[in-house]
Amino acid sequence: GAVVSQHPSRVICKSGTSVKIECRSLDFQATTMFWYRQFPKQSLMLMATSNEGSKATYEQGVEKDKFLINHASLTLSTLTVTSAHPEDSSFYICSALGGGNEKLFFGSGTQLSVL
Amino acid sequence: QQQVKQSPQSLIVQKGGISIINCAYENTAFDYFPWYQQFPGKGPALLIAIRPDVSEKKEGRFTISFNKSAKQFSLHIMDSQPGDSATYFCAALGGGGGNKLTFGTGTQLKVEL
Repeated sequence: GAVVSQHPSRVICKSGTSVKIECRSLDFQATTMFWYRQFPKQSLMLMATSNEGSKATYEQGVEKDKFLINHASLTLSTLTVTSAHPEDSSFYICSALGGGNEKLFFGSGTQLSVL
Repeated sequence: QQQVKQSPQSLIVQKGGISIINCAYENTAFDYFPWYQQFPGKGPALLIAIRPDVSEKKEGRFTISFNKSAKQFSLHIMDSQPGDSATYFCAALGGGGGNKLTFGTGTQLKVEL
């Protein structure tokens, strides 16, 4: 089946630094990728929709200048958390549309801890 | 209208028993209903999915029952095993939301020996 690779799986950073998370579709081209945030024991919250070659569409309440999304190719989208603060600590998950545009495949997630 | 309500929040089932998780939706334009399984520290994995033109779909021990008129669908896990212990999310796609999935709130399933 389709595979989505997300890296890194875990990152610890100091407050004020920026962190980049990569999401790659390994065996299919993904024109659309999604970024989610998940707090412990809660559901996934959609942050933004990333379309290859165009600007990301952010959900209401998500700061686009804080969470920079780049989808430069059909197999790679990146999320950069800029000037991270402890409240940005969370589990971030990407997903990519494949297999006929209705099957959503998820990456393995990135646990971000900001000290 | 974009909400998907999921219950129960948590569930404990004995090994070999049947686990049942229920979801309900409001938006009748939803046209694809997947279920995802998530283990701690991992991303969700697609388990099984159904379209509203089918009332039931079975894959191995996993069955989705779909009631279009009631706008409800459920996941049944037969012969539940400790390895099935995870969080399960129902979701819905379509309904004017484009390709964005609307997730349920999740059910933490624990299968005890």
